[in-house]
Amino acid sequence: RKEVEQDPGPFNVPEGATVAFNCTYSNSASQSFFWYRQDCRKEPKLLMSVYSSGNEDGRFTAQLNRASQYISLLIRDSKLSDSATYLCVVPYSSNTGKLIFGQGTTLQVKP
Amino acid sequence: DGGITQSPKYLFRKEGQNVTLSCEQNLNHDAMYWYRQDPGQGLRLIYYSQIVNDFQKGDIAEGYSVSREKKESFPLTVTSAQKNPTAFYLCASSIGFGDWETQYFGPGTRLLVL
Repeated sequence: RKEVEQDPGPFNVPEGATVAFNCTYSNSASQSFFWYRQDCRKEPKLLMSVYSSGNEDGRFTAQLNRASQYISLLIRDSKLSDSATYLCVVPYSSNTGKLIFGQGTTLQVKP
Repeated sequence: DGGITQSPKYLFRKEGQNVTLSCEQNLNHDAMYWYRQDPGQGLRLIYYSQIVNDFQKGDIAEGYSVSREKKESFPLTVTSAQKNPTAFYLCASSIGFGDWETQYFGPGTRLLVL
């Protein structure tokens, strides 16, 4: 299994749709997780951190399933501005600052 | 206005040439990182530094070198030994290096080989 694996997509959805992405990770000792958003040809920006079973911020919900070692990101009521690549990120090893990035899932929201 | 700056935005390298990418932060962060991103791939760690005057190799350090003489600066040199340097280079920083620390990224430098 890859250390962090994501379905690259693209996911093409209409405005207003609900869409979910999954990310699987191999390090069962990981305690914290991140979702970053990356717009085309730009730097990644933090969307959400996940430390316990999940986190919610407006239309965005992240859920963690430790038993199955996956994290999901749910986007409700999709906007055109949500079109981007979403990166799943997992710490590489304990307290070194090293992160492992998934290859990203691309979302295209259509009018 | 705090943040991370990278320069130049675009850089062209000739065969056999060393080039240096600049990364500066005024966030007073201890840790800094260099990543490389190739099309359709995730970010890969080149070098990282947890504190001034100390740095560690990441997963793909061959052909690269760094220095950390000042807390706010972490320049990356792409040497002629790096045979495939064309990529998007991203610098990041974080307050510390715990697993819960958020990394903040600069705008990146695109390196192209002529």
